[in-house]
Amino acid sequence: GESVGLHLPTLSVQEGDNSIINCAYSNSASDYFIWYKQESGKGPQFIIDIRSNMDKRQGQRVTVLLNKTVKHLSLQIAATQPGDSAVYFCAENGGSNYKLTFGKGTLLTVNP
Amino acid sequence: DGGITQSPKYLFRKEGQNVTLSCEQNLNHDAMYWYRQDPGQGLRLIYYSQIVNDFQKGDIAEGYSVSREKKESFPLTVTSAQKNPTAFYLCASRRWGDSNQPQHFGDGTRLSIL
Repeated sequence: GESVGLHLPTLSVQEGDNSIINCAYSNSASDYFIWYKQESGKGPQFIIDIRSNMDKRQGQRVTVLLNKTVKHLSLQIAATQPGDSAVYFCAENGGSNYKLTFGKGTLLTVNP
Repeated sequence: DGGITQSPKYLFRKEGQNVTLSCEQNLNHDAMYWYRQDPGQGLRLIYYSQIVNDFQKGDIAEGYSVSREKKESFPLTVTSAQKNPTAFYLCASRRWGDSNQPQHFGDGTRLSIL
């Protein structure tokens, strides 16, 4: 079936390095993608989104890249800080107007 | 501040008991959602509501019920028919009418069995 998945379940980086978190999706109908950050014991926090008519979008210290050819999404975090340590989820809409499908998440650990 | 408030933060259920989780939002969002999160799994949709007095089943609705009497409120009842209710429950909301809008989440309720 259609699914959203992540290549790496855990990622450990040094403070100040750049982080890249990857996500593969298989539903070709998806035209909207979101990255969320979830800290322990809290709800997911919206980071950035991208529509399928774009291949790159930048926010504050974050960049999302979308490669529709290979159905791949990535989140780049520049100058990673200890406060960035969390689980990061990607989500895609599968062409739906109401529903999101979530990946299982990648745990990012930032070492001081 | 605008946001989504879930209560209680922790909840314990006895065998055969129904429990209700509260979700309130002051974002003036039309759509509201309930998800279940289990360790090592992505969020799974339980129920969602597009407008007041209307709601639809998600992927795992069995053993759960909801109501949407007010735009701001979308309570979830975990019934005794839900045999494995231990999980982290997340409520979300978003504006309706444009599919390209993110859902915003509350900070969850952790439900455990006594």
